[in-house]
Amino acid sequence: QVQLVESGGGVVQPGRSLRLSCVASGFSFSQYAMNWVRQAPGRGLEWVAVTSYNGGDSDNADSVKGRFAISRDNSKNTLYLQMTSLSVEDTGIYYCARPKTMGGPHCSGGRCYLSDALDVWGQGTTVTVSS
Amino acid sequence: EIVLTQSPGTLSLSPGEGVTLSCRASQSVSGTYVGWYQQKPGQAPRLLISGASSRATGIPDRFSGGGSGTVFTLSISRLEPEDFAVYYCQQYGTSPFAFGQGTRLEIK
Repeated sequence: QVQLVESGGGVVQPGRSLRLSCVASGFSFSQYAMNWVRQAPGRGLEWVAVTSYNGGDSDNADSVKGRFAISRDNSKNTLYLQMTSLSVEDTGIYYCARPKTMGGPHCSGGRCYLSDALDVWGQGTTVTVSS
Repeated sequence: EIVLTQSPGTLSLSPGEGVTLSCRASQSVSGTYVGWYQQKPGQAPRLLISGASSRATGIPDRFSGGGSGTVFTLSISRLEPEDFAVYYCQQYGTSPFAFGQGTRLEIK
């Protein structure tokens, strides 16, 4: 069955780094763009980042730009989120999510366009930034 | 950057009632690149609607979406007990692919 499994969360001190992973199964991972979405405790969903199907294009939310990097290894069916300079505001559940359709998005000028709704989600991994 | 504003923040309703949730974009969304999600406590979000009006696989027909440009809606015709949850809209036409802040449906 189609599945996404995140890992790598934990408790980390402010200013430190952490790398999240998301292993995909049950579908052709290399043909889909992938996203990270996070949710702070008791708060709403916040889109974090997207990478194109081949990893050649990506974009991040302004709140994490310059600190977080999304990447993927299609040979391992794995999506990553490298997080640096973590702050308490980065605390939350981090979900990886797959769009409905293959391919895309088209990215240029630092932005990405015409992606799709997210129809497959992992269970999330929890990141706690605390001293 | 497109900002999505959902209203109202919280609704108290009874099973059997109908409801329409609103999602307003700060600028026009490309095409109808808007989705709606349902999230229950302790669970990942679930896609309900994509392309502003297309129900996702397995979603009951009491859920319907509409709108274009800057105003989008999610309607639930007859609330079932399992529909009481938080609902989010998202635009995925131009990054950042922002979500609205959510509307909570609670049982009256």
